[in-house]
Amino acid sequence: GQNIDQPTEMTATEGAIVQINCTYQTSGFNGLFWYQQHAGEAPTFLSYNVLDGLEEKGRFSSFLSRSKGYSYLLLKELQMKDSASYLCAVRVPYNNNDMRFGAGTRLTVKP
Amino acid sequence: DVKVTQSSRYLVKRTGEKVFLECVQDMDHENMFWYRQDPGLGLRLIYFSYDVKMKEKGDIPEGYSVSREKKERFSLILESASTNQTSMYLCASSSGTGGHQPQHFGDGTRLSIL
Repeated sequence: GQNIDQPTEMTATEGAIVQINCTYQTSGFNGLFWYQQHAGEAPTFLSYNVLDGLEEKGRFSSFLSRSKGYSYLLLKELQMKDSASYLCAVRVPYNNNDMRFGAGTRLTVKP
Repeated sequence: DVKVTQSSRYLVKRTGEKVFLECVQDMDHENMFWYRQDPGLGLRLIYFSYDVKMKEKGDIPEGYSVSREKKERFSLILESASTNQTSMYLCASSSGTGGHQPQHFGDGTRLSIL
């Protein structure tokens, strides 16, 4: 089967750092994506990892370990507008490079 | 910027009705997808298409069909709507056959079947 697991909810304080973890077990791997989804809006692309290591993009960074089936999204200097759901998705090498999504982590940033 | 437009944000229909959800993308993308999003279950793929007039079943195609007559438009059809099809429906598009290309999503249609 295909499993992509992430915590359901997290809470953090404005200005702090938060790490959202994602573990996956899939039949094949062609890359891992993180999306941000505000309530009632479309998911928007944040980051892509296909090789092990850290990819940094401003306040957001994403890490991948393929041997461990593990990724995390790191958000620094949290702002209130970062309150959203964060979706982890794995691209698999069938169904024309289908993407498998986790259920999402709802992050609440408090003052 | 890629624009994926879904025809309705909110829709209320009755059990047994035939329901059409429309999606249009403006970036000449080859691939288009329909998902439904339910609390605790994440996004589940219903159907996808990688070319005009081509369609492939996803994980949960039962009760749905699709149509792709033009490259920019991908329609989802609920043949006879049932209450368990009440959900958020998301359309997405992407370029090429994978790699680093992300999927781009529309704002979603929240469909209620009464």
